[in-house]
Amino acid sequence: KAGVTQTPRYLIKTRGQQVTLSCSPISGHRSVSWYQQTPGQGLQFLFEYFSETQRNKGNFPGRFSGRQFSNSRSEMNVSTLELGDSALYLCASSSYTRRYTDTQYFGPGTRLTVL
Amino acid sequence: AQSVAQPEDQVNVAEGNPLTVKCTYSVSGNPYLFWYVQYPNRGLQFLLKYITGDNLVKGSYGFEAEFNKSQTSFHLKKPSALVSDSALYFCAVRDRGLYNFNKFYFGSGTKLNVKP
Repeated sequence: KAGVTQTPRYLIKTRGQQVTLSCSPISGHRSVSWYQQTPGQGLQFLFEYFSETQRNKGNFPGRFSGRQFSNSRSEMNVSTLELGDSALYLCASSSYTRRYTDTQYFGPGTRLTVL
Repeated sequence: AQSVAQPEDQVNVAEGNPLTVKCTYSVSGNPYLFWYVQYPNRGLQFLLKYITGDNLVKGSYGFEAEFNKSQTSFHLKKPSALVSDSALYFCAVRDRGLYNFNKFYFGSGTKLNVKP
């Protein structure tokens, strides 16, 4: 099976712009979660989508949003970019069949640099 | 609230020697614990998980982890380190909420350096 894919792998934007990142989960996986990784804050949970609905949300401002499509692919959007949004954004998918025993599998990430 | 701590920012070990990367957890109820590894410019790769059962969990690439409930620890181990094991290792715990179980809490990461 193909793994989790994320596009693009690298992005450079300037402050004030907006950006959209894409994630395709492992085939058959219905849950997609997003994480932000920075040197200072480590790995932080952004949100999770299942069946096109946001299930959970972390402590991020409303500039961070996402959605999920009927084929389970997910996008996240960051509006009005700030320098502090520079990070590696990781997407993870899981099957949502065994819940607490499911494993989350991560994609390679999108490296966002805000200038 | 769930949390994990990795007390060591960096671990140095010689190739062929055993390695241990430490993780302690704080959860309400039974924990669901995971180890992931991250190579430079890559995402996280799943190594192993503890759900229930045997306290010694075997995972990928010869890694194993020992769950110790009394010490609230979940240390990652390997009997003989390889230079290629050099990477960043993350311990994680899953949220136990009814609809929050795909929210993971990660430790700060431990950089493992294996010297030839």
